Formats: sequence, structure tokens, C-alpha cells
Amino acid sequence: KQEVTQIPAALSVPEGENLVLNCSFTDSAIYNLQWFRQDPGKGLTSLLLIQSSQREQTSGRLNASLDKSSGRSTLYIAASQPGDSATYLCAVRGGQNFVFGPGTRLSVLP
Amino acid sequence: GAVVSQHPSWVICKSGTSVKIECRSLDFQATTMFWYRQFPKQSLMLMATSNEGSKATYEQGVEKDKFLINHASLTLSTLTVTSAHPEDSSFYICSARDGLGGTQYFGPGTRLTVL
Repeated sequence: KQEVTQIPAALSVPEGENLVLNCSFTDSAIYNLQWFRQDPGKGLTSLLLIQSSQREQTSGRLNASLDKSSGRSTLYIAASQPGDSATYLCAVRGGQNFVFGPGTRLSVLP
Repeated sequence: GAVVSQHPSWVICKSGTSVKIECRSLDFQATTMFWYRQFPKQSLMLMATSNEGSKATYEQGVEKDKFLINHASLTLSTLTVTSAHPEDSSFYICSARDGLGGTQYFGPGTRLTVL
């Protein structure tokens, strides 16, 4: 059974810092991995989708990497801003559906 | 881009009543829809998977008689929480998979509070 973990559980940084969020999964037989952002009380916003054949994806200040063999993905956020404050969820699709990690709660202080 | 809507966005009901939540894919046909539940400060947990025109497949520990799922068309799935109790209070999120491209899109969620 696929299990997804995320480290750290919470992170507080001053504005402008570069930061890395980590995601690990136990079963490397995946179709893709997706990073989401969730604001308090809201639904999910898809940030980046990495197919199993890809190594990384970039969108603006965000870069996500995937190392399928080691069961790891990282989300790199450059020049963080207070508006980046949210919970970041990593989700792995290995079959029909996604398995979500517990999330990293990010606070970017002005 | 593809959009998935949910209605209502929030609902408050009395214990013992039933609540229906709708999930619609607005500009694509969804052969498969998923229902997730998220308790406060926890991640999303899959409740069930539904394919259009067939019975839903429930995850272990989810009571199929309590959480009724109907996927009657390629654009609509409904989740009915029957005889709701305070412990059913949660954030329910649906997801729809595009039958053509296979991409999965998520709805904005429905906050259910049972008094």
C-alpha cells in the first residue's frame, strides 16, 4: 500500500528566502506526482504535475523534482513571499487515484 | 481549463438528517469521479471511487450505506451523507478524471457541519 510522507510538517521563514519542501513515497511504481497548494478552508490548487518519465517541472518561482527510484520529490520555492503561505500537499498517483501526503504548513513572514 | 464545481460550498445540518453534495465537471466528461474527506489539519483521504453508470468502490472503513454515491451521468456525481452525526463534520472534496486525457481535476470542496 502506497504511503506518502512530507517533511517538514510546518515551516516558518522570512520573506525572500528560498525553501525546499520534501515528499517521500514508498512504492516507486507511480504514474505521476502532483504538488498542490491549499489555503485554509479552501480546496486544492494544482501547482505542478510531474509524469513518472520526467525528472522535474518548473512554473515561475516553483520547481519540482522527481526521483522515482528513491521515492522522493522536492518542491523548491524561490524568493518566498507572504502570499505563498499555505499548506502544500504532495500526491502520488499509482493506480486509479491519488494518495496524499499530510502536507507542509508554510508561513512566510513579511 | 477544466473546472469541477461542488454544491453546496458549505452546509450546516442537524444530527440525523441527510445531506446531498453535488460534484459536476463543467467542460469535460468524467468517466471516473472520486470523493475525498479531509478532517481539520489532516490530509485528504479517499472515500470512494465511482465510475459512470456503475456502483461505487469504497475504501476500507467507509460505510457504503452511510455515504451513498451516485454517478448517473458523465458530468455529475452526488454524495449523500445519510443520518449525519457530528463526527461526519468534515471537508468533502470531489475529483473528476477527464475521460479523454486522463487528467484529474479537483473541486473546491464542501464544508459539512453537523450539529
